[in-house]
Amino acid sequence: SQKIEQNSEALNIQEGKTATLTCNYTNYSPAYLQWYRQDPGRGPVFLLLIRENEKEKRKERLKVTFDTTLKQSLFHITASQPADSATYLCALDPSGGYNKLIFGAGTRLAVHP
Amino acid sequence: EAGVAQSPRYKIIEKRQSVAFWCNPISGHATLYWYQQILGQGPKLLIQFQNNGVVDDSQLPKDRFSAERLKGVDSTLKIQPAKLEDSAVYLCASSLGETSGVLGNIQYFGAGTRLSVL
Repeated sequence: SQKIEQNSEALNIQEGKTATLTCNYTNYSPAYLQWYRQDPGRGPVFLLLIRENEKEKRKERLKVTFDTTLKQSLFHITASQPADSATYLCALDPSGGYNKLIFGAGTRLAVHP
Repeated sequence: EAGVAQSPRYKIIEKRQSVAFWCNPISGHATLYWYQQILGQGPKLLIQFQNNGVVDDSQLPKDRFSAERLKGVDSTLKIQPAKLEDSAVYLCASSLGETSGVLGNIQYFGAGTRLSVL
């Protein structure tokens, strides 16, 4: 069966450390993968998109990797801040085409001062 | 640029009643999505419109849910009659669409409507 798995347990880290979130998928061949941030009571907000032929993508303190052999994406936040506390969702296109996303359940990140 | 607008923000109804949600996407966005998000889960696609045509409604419970996109802009999602398990946040999102390549699938979400069915 097709699955997208993110760590269901909350990730607690100290301010200033690097947070690493994992997204694993099964029986999909996505052309790209996206990461979104969701705060309580708000809709998801797009952060980064990485294509299947890209190994790594960076944006300010954010870094995403995409390993199509391992069927895994890692999302890193360096020098984390309490303001980074939120739920992070990974999403992929299920058919290698455009225009549709399947979302994981998300991982809640809590950054403590 | 104005974002995706949704209303109402909250709705409480009793089971077997009907309810409707409204969404106004970002101007110029061809694709509109409705998602259901149950607490602790990721958004689940209910229906996807390309302009005013339905692209995917495979996970829409058609015996009780219906949706339309008027003139390819605004959209409404209706539930009739509601069940207890429909309690969730209903999210609307829009994107530029496939004619804009991969970046056309970046989705912009509204704040959602929180539905409680008692």
